[in-house]
Amino acid sequence: QVQLVESGGGVVQPGKSLRLSCAASGFTFNSYGMHWVRQAPGKGLEWVAIISYDGSDKYYADSVKGRFTISRDNSKNTLYLQMNSLRAEDTAVYYCAKEHYYDSSAYLEYWGQGTLATVSS
Amino acid sequence: DIQMTQSPSSLSASVGDRVTITCRASQGISNYLAWFQQKPGKAPKSLIYAASSLQSGVPSQFSGSGSGTDFTLTISSLQPEDFATYYCQQYKSYPFTFGPGTKVDIK
Repeated sequence: QVQLVESGGGVVQPGKSLRLSCAASGFTFNSYGMHWVRQAPGKGLEWVAIISYDGSDKYYADSVKGRFTISRDNSKNTLYLQMNSLRAEDTAVYYCAKEHYYDSSAYLEYWGQGTLATVSS
Repeated sequence: DIQMTQSPSSLSASVGDRVTITCRASQGISNYLAWFQQKPGKAPKSLIYAASSLQSGVPSQFSGSGSGTDFTLTISSLQPEDFATYYCQQYKSYPFTFGPGTKVDIK
């Protein structure tokens, strides 16, 4: 069955960096686009970024563009989110999600359990 | 960006009730609309995709409808395990955007 396991969260000071990982199993990783979605404490869901199955296409939310970088290593079945210049408002649980292509678009089919990143001095 | 709204923001209901949640997009998104269920401390779970297609393994008391800008999620007979927060999300274009959520709790 599909498993997505995030790691790398923790407490970091404003302006510093953090790299999140998402280890995937149970499906052919290099055939699917992957997303990051975050949720600030007590708030709703915010889409962060998407990377295509081969890493050639990437899109970001305006709130993280220029600071965050999504990447993947298909040889390791792992998705990454490099977060630089972190701000207090980046504090959130970060989820990775596998997309499923259907009817000329793709929806978020499976989600990991999330990892908490806290930006605080 | 496409803005998503939901109503109501919360509702109280009893086991066995029929519950309807509405989602509206700021522009037409065809049927590129998904619904998710989230319980406290847990990851979101996919319920509905393509506005009305039931995700595998999701109980049949859940159904979705709509196209264009107006969508609904219906729970035909609320079960104890259905008390949660529900989010709609458009995947017509990037950035993907979510509705603010509807919290369903016990009356």
